[in-house]
Amino acid sequence: SAVISQKPSRDICQRGTSLTIQCQVDSQVTMMFWYRQQPGQSLTLIATANQGSEATYESGFVIDKFPISRPNLTFSTLTVSNMSPEDSSIYLCSVEDRQGGGLTTNEKLFFGSGTQLSVL
Amino acid sequence: SQKIEQNSEALNIQEGKTATLTCNYTNYSPAYLQWYRQDPGRGPVFLLLIRENEKEKRKERLKVTFDTTLKQSLFHITASQPADSATYLCALDPTGFQKLVFGTGTRLLVSP
Repeated sequence: SAVISQKPSRDICQRGTSLTIQCQVDSQVTMMFWYRQQPGQSLTLIATANQGSEATYESGFVIDKFPISRPNLTFSTLTVSNMSPEDSSIYLCSVEDRQGGGLTTNEKLFFGSGTQLSVL
Repeated sequence: SQKIEQNSEALNIQEGKTATLTCNYTNYSPAYLQWYRQDPGRGPVFLLLIRENEKEKRKERLKVTFDTTLKQSLFHITASQPADSATYLCALDPTGFQKLVFGTGTRLLVSP
């Protein structure tokens, strides 16, 4: 299993500002995923962050709005830029469950506790 | 269009009864389907995975079925307890790269 530390756990931000969310994993992982969960909605994948390459964004999400860094195999950041009230949401990082030195995936994901973001 | 649907209304049951939650999907052909539990203020926690060639999978008081013809999975909690109260999410992987697509979840409330 993987233990994921995500911070901040919550924040209240002003419109037009940016917030960077950090995700630290206790083991090395190839892929890290960033999800958004809007109030009353399901989790939606924002992007996949791979170490050593640019993040891959899903439809409807762009790098200028959600820049991602992945400097090493245990850490990633997601920035929510130029925020508006519509960005109020829970942001979650997750990692895949891999065994055998990373050769075999168990397909399931481990999640951090999330960042509750409110934009005024 | 592709959809994953779970009953958006909360499911209220009495302690000791069996809770049954439904996940229906449209225009996907998943190789497997997963169930997660999410408590308020927490991230989802993996519970069970069932593959397309498996009809049923069990883990302690949990049971999952997967009907690829009906495009439906059922999630059962037997002998339910108040501690089982949470939101339960189903998820599938359309791409094979762990890019999970989640249903909206069903909130389960178990009363003593």
